[in-house]
Amino acid sequence: ETGVTQTPRHLVMGMTNKKSLKCEQHLGHNAMYWYKQSAKKPLELMFVYSLEERVENNSVPSRFSPECPNSSHLFLHLHTLQPEDSALYLCASSQDYRSRGEQYFGPGTRLTVT
Amino acid sequence: AQSVTQLDSQVPVFEEAPVELRCNYSSSVSVYLFWYVQYPNQGLQLLLKYLSGSTLVKGINGFEAEFNKSQTSFHLRKPSVHISDTAEYFCAANPNQGGKLIFGQGTELSVKP
Repeated sequence: ETGVTQTPRHLVMGMTNKKSLKCEQHLGHNAMYWYKQSAKKPLELMFVYSLEERVENNSVPSRFSPECPNSSHLFLHLHTLQPEDSALYLCASSQDYRSRGEQYFGPGTRLTVT
Repeated sequence: AQSVTQLDSQVPVFEEAPVELRCNYSSSVSVYLFWYVQYPNQGLQLLLKYLSGSTLVKGINGFEAEFNKSQTSFHLRKPSVHISDTAEYFCAANPNQGGKLIFGQGTELSVKP
């Protein structure tokens, strides 16, 4: 595997379910990001981890819970979601959070909440 | 607050025609700028970036962009597009706030035969 991978690619869940999205980067980067991409809206930054420490938490509802066990893996735990949470969830990584360099994106998980 | 504006939500163009996708950003002392492309059902792929130096930046797939500080613009251009360039294009800025990227709303480029 190369680059940034995300699993699953598609997920349908009910509002009472609990599920997790997984992201893995094979680039040796120190920073990882979760974005939400909804139709006709700019990408929304949700969370940022630098060296496994959360450095950004942009007013995201508590039904989204991130976890970064090491610098290569990032999870997004989901519970009691709402239909408006249906979106494409993108994971990204960059060399260092402070270096301001480019971010590398995974293919995303298409989430549908029913 | 810092912002990035992509002036066109959709740009239809015929194959082999030139194209320009417009991007303006709110001014900052030191801003890094990026263009990303997103093909259907895929993540974002970096096309090119401006960090410093020459204001004309060349990227992949024949795209280039010009950083214009006085007009706070970073427009993306290609002299001759292909059907395969059909995708959504995102302009993004890093205005000296760590790794946080600010994205524009995206421009959907549709190349017709």
